[in-house]
Amino acid sequence: AQSVTQPDIHITVSEGASLELRCNYSYGATPYLFWYVQSPGQGLQLLLKYFSGDTLVQGIKGFEAEFKRSQSSFNLRKPSVHWSDAAEYFCAVGEQAGTALIFGKGTTLSVSS
Amino acid sequence: NAGVTQTPKFRILKIGQSMTLQCAQDMNHNYMYWYRQDPGMGLKLIYYSVGAGITDKGEVPNGYNVSRSTTEDFPLRLELAAPSQTSVYFCASSYHGELFFGEGSRLTVL
Repeated sequence: AQSVTQPDIHITVSEGASLELRCNYSYGATPYLFWYVQSPGQGLQLLLKYFSGDTLVQGIKGFEAEFKRSQSSFNLRKPSVHWSDAAEYFCAVGEQAGTALIFGKGTTLSVSS
Repeated sequence: NAGVTQTPKFRILKIGQSMTLQCAQDMNHNYMYWYRQDPGMGLKLIYYSVGAGITDKGEVPNGYNVSRSTTEDFPLRLELAAPSQTSVYFCASSYHGELFFGEGSRLTVL
């Protein structure tokens, strides 16, 4: 069965510092991988996605993620965090187009000044 | 563009009451989903639909029912509400694997 693990429940980063949020998945074939962001009281917004091809994908708001098949990981990175990046971040995996996504439990990002 | 619209945004129910959460999308997507979100637990799939007239259970379907009479609408019915159904509910549709979410419906059962 597919599963997604986000090992860090809560991370605090200083404004301007770099960020890496970890995501590990369990799936037999090449999965569809996603990162979503949720601000308090809001719905989920897609940051980026990986279906195939280049393993380094660029997303919105300056985020990027790298698919590493050997490590079953899809970590999210940002070189310089802004206070507005404080939110909850979810990694998700899907089997193919149209199937429901399996979500990790999320990582809450706090940004300190 | 409206995208995925959920109503109501907030609702308080008494134990044993029933209600329907409405979800409508205007993107002509065939695939639609209902998730619930509980603190620290991520999103859990309740039901999904691959097209009008076709629905199937997800991971946590007990206490819920759905219907899909049109491509646009995918209502979620709660029968005999229980405190365990206190949650935030998200409806989503998908296209080429990407999910588009509504803003959520926060339900409290007292």
